[in-house]
Amino acid sequence: DADVTQTPRNRITKTGKRIMLECSQTKGHDRMYWYRQDPGLGLRLIYYSFDVKDINKGEISDGYSVSRQAQAKFSLSLESAIPNQTALYFCATSDQDTEAFFGQGTRLTVV
Amino acid sequence: GEDVEQSLFLSVREGDSSVINCTYTDSSSTYLYWYKQEPGAGLQLLTYIFSNMDMKQDQRLTVLLNKKDKHLSLRIADTQTGDSAIYFCAESMNTDKLIFGTGTRLQVFP
Repeated sequence: DADVTQTPRNRITKTGKRIMLECSQTKGHDRMYWYRQDPGLGLRLIYYSFDVKDINKGEISDGYSVSRQAQAKFSLSLESAIPNQTALYFCATSDQDTEAFFGQGTRLTVV
Repeated sequence: GEDVEQSLFLSVREGDSSVINCTYTDSSSTYLYWYKQEPGAGLQLLTYIFSNMDMKQDQRLTVLLNKKDKHLSLRIADTQTGDSAIYFCAESMNTDKLIFGTGTRLQVFP
């Protein structure tokens, strides 16, 4: 079983729709992250959480929200999807002195 | 603010060495990382270096850090076709959030 599981793996949605991307991890780590990947821009941090009660905005949080339901779960929501949110989304988890472990990614297309 | 820059593409012949470069702006970075992303997959940590080191070697991988110039490089010796991937440089301060570079797509041709 993967350490970090993202669902769905692929999603096509229409402009204006609400969509949630889910992430769960079995590493027992406190820290979780959401990144988006765009060609030529690398990975940009959307939101991160250092424990269940902690939520922080990253570099590009506008248009997104998150929920840390439990230590193992961190979901990303697009309240009203727009085409420039079409990207590959990655969830990751780490602890203070460990590397970050990444999920397989969710490819989201907004039409 | 924090910024991490990489060249977008590198093409090398199988068996040659590859050198992927990265520059960063945050002088307070304490950890610098190299991640590898294969097609259709997430990122996997290749290696990392503490900011008080200037070199780290791990089998075919050599990481060089020039802290004065804020320059990090990854050398892959005897590059193989299986090394074809996107390589990301990343930095963090005290294992805080990771800031990634733009990624370098390495293409290895026979």
